[in-house]
Amino acid sequence: ILNVEQSPQSLHVQEGDSTNFTCSFPSSNFYALHWYRWETAKSPEALFVMTLNGDEKKKGRISATLNTKEGYSYLYIKGSQPEDSATYLCAFWAGFQKLVFGTGTRLLVSP
Amino acid sequence: EAQVTQNPRYLITVTGKKLTVTCSQNMNHEYMSWYRQDPGLGLRQIYYSMNVEVTDKGDVPEGYKVSRKEKRNFPLILESPSPNQTSLYFCASSLGGQGYQPQHFGDGTRLSIL
Repeated sequence: ILNVEQSPQSLHVQEGDSTNFTCSFPSSNFYALHWYRWETAKSPEALFVMTLNGDEKKKGRISATLNTKEGYSYLYIKGSQPEDSATYLCAFWAGFQKLVFGTGTRLLVSP
Repeated sequence: EAQVTQNPRYLITVTGKKLTVTCSQNMNHEYMSWYRQDPGLGLRQIYYSMNVEVTDKGDVPEGYKVSRKEKRNFPLILESPSPNQTSLYFCASSLGGQGYQPQHFGDGTRLSIL
């Protein structure tokens, strides 16, 4: 059974703080690692799809890195804003047409 | 507008009464999938489809059926719903089926089975 773990489970920061969270996945049979942002009462939205070891992606104040050899990815948010409050999901694609999701990191940014 | 449309958004029903949740996408995506979301658990895949008439089981297929007769539609069928199928359901689609493209999610369907 493939296991994707995210930490921390939840995080509460102040506006302007920078923060980061971790996604751990199996280091064998790697195809792709997805990051999604999921706001309450909405549907998950894709942030990044990462496929290469050492990959770094950036979208505004959000960036992500990938280490496939050791099986982890970091998501960074620089200068958090209240609108960044959401659950951040990572998902591991190991072939077999299957995307395995972690349970997410719930971020709350207070003004 | 590119989108994945699920219906209904909310449904309360009783044990044993067959129901269908529809899913339609307008992006000509090959890959479609159904997930359920339960508290404390990640999104878990129920069924997926690589293309028309090609479907396969995900991690939690028991009690569900799907069909893919047209590329745009991928309905989820609960033949005899039970309370343990009370959950939040998402349909998703993506271009291709090798995981290199992001999933586009519908708005979700909240099912309550009494």
